[in-house]
Amino acid sequence: RKEVEQDPGPFNVPEGATVAFNCTYSNSASQSFFWYRQDCRKEPKLLMSVYSSGNEDGRFTAQLNRASQYISLLIRDSKLSDSATYLCVETGGFKTIFGAGTRLFVKA
Amino acid sequence: EAGVAQSPRYKIIEKRQSVAFWCNPISGHATLYWYQQILGQGPKLLIQFQNNGVVDDSQLPKDRFSAERLKGVDSTLKIQPAKLEDSAVYLCASSLDRHPQYFGPGTRLTVL
Repeated sequence: RKEVEQDPGPFNVPEGATVAFNCTYSNSASQSFFWYRQDCRKEPKLLMSVYSSGNEDGRFTAQLNRASQYISLLIRDSKLSDSATYLCVETGGFKTIFGAGTRLFVKA
Repeated sequence: EAGVAQSPRYKIIEKRQSVAFWCNPISGHATLYWYQQILGQGPKLLIQFQNNGVVDDSQLPKDRFSAERLKGVDSTLKIQPAKLEDSAVYLCASSLDRHPQYFGPGTRLTVL
């Protein structure tokens, strides 16, 4: 089983839609979680951290469920510019593990 | 503020040849990472430095890959000899703390 698993998609959604991605992790000792965004042929960039109590940043909401070992990312009112690959990241100790990413295409 | 610099941006070599990549992290960032990203996959951590010491190199294929970070600043990653499966983008990242990690533009390696 992979340490971090994501649905590769692609998710094709119209502008204005709400879309959610999940990411499961296998290490129950994992300490911190993040979502990174990667545009086509570009480097990854931090989108947001994921806190146990859940957190929101504008149209983006991230949640952590330690009991079921998954994190989620919700995007409301999707924009064309949200089209990208979303990478789930978990860290435990000194290790940083990226998921393979979920591709999102937002269409006009 | 200058970002993470990497060179070269592209490299094409024949299998069994050697290649080296260079990374200059953001000034003041103690932690430096080298990742390998194969098309369609997420970045895989190869090696992590804290200043000039290695924190994690558990996924570095040490029979052919080597990395160093002299003086705790710049870093080089070398592959010798290269194999076809080494074709990937090699990303360097740096951070003050664990996150956020700031990535450079990467070096796209093609092994023929």
